[in-house]
Amino acid sequence: DIQMTQSPSSVSASVGDRVTITCRASQGISGWLAWYQQKPGKAPKLLIYAASSLQSGVPSRFSGSGSGTEFTLTISSLQPEDFATYYCQQANSLPYTFGQGTKLEIK
Amino acid sequence: EVQLVESGGGLVQPGGSLRLSCAASGFTFSSHWMHWVRQTPGKGLVWLSRMNSDGISISYADSVKGRFTISRDNAKNTLFLQMNSLRAEDTGVYYCARRSYYMDVWGKGTTVTVSS
Repeated sequence: DIQMTQSPSSVSASVGDRVTITCRASQGISGWLAWYQQKPGKAPKLLIYAASSLQSGVPSRFSGSGSGTEFTLTISSLQPEDFATYYCQQANSLPYTFGQGTKLEIK
Repeated sequence: EVQLVESGGGLVQPGGSLRLSCAASGFTFSSHWMHWVRQTPGKGLVWLSRMNSDGISISYADSVKGRFTISRDNAKNTLFLQMNSLRAEDTGVYYCARRSYYMDVWGKGTTVTVSS
């Protein structure tokens, strides 16, 4: 199975800050990566697919980049509604696997 | 509105069975691959199974292979997960989700607790 490792596990930031979350795959996955946002008690929400494509309806302050084994999710200017947990997911091969999550907290 | 609604969760003893359902609305269910994903505090999000639009192509995670069975009824716009030989480690929130590689629509989840 492909292991997905996110860093950091948690991060504190302020409204207006720029935040970057990293996801590393244990083997190359080309661009087969998605990012999700999850708020407490809610289902995950797709933000980015194919490493850098913005899902319809997602604000443009979210962006994704990377290929192969290293990927990043960047939030250019944090808004209050962005404080949540973020997960990456590889779709290169079955079983699909998720990172352990990065909790974004208010400083 | 595009929507998925899971049901069928509950408390079950180890070794028991449950059948989860996922009712789809607001889109052409019969055109989409569908997944089941489990979330637990300990292991996070775990992909369990997926099925293609016509039910021919099916895949499972090793952890549930031989115990869980995914199926669908396109006439009733419903996805199912039959779960047998349940274990304590199957406890969690079960989500159904749409699309083949990247899951763009998720239900709110149904909670399964396996305990004596």
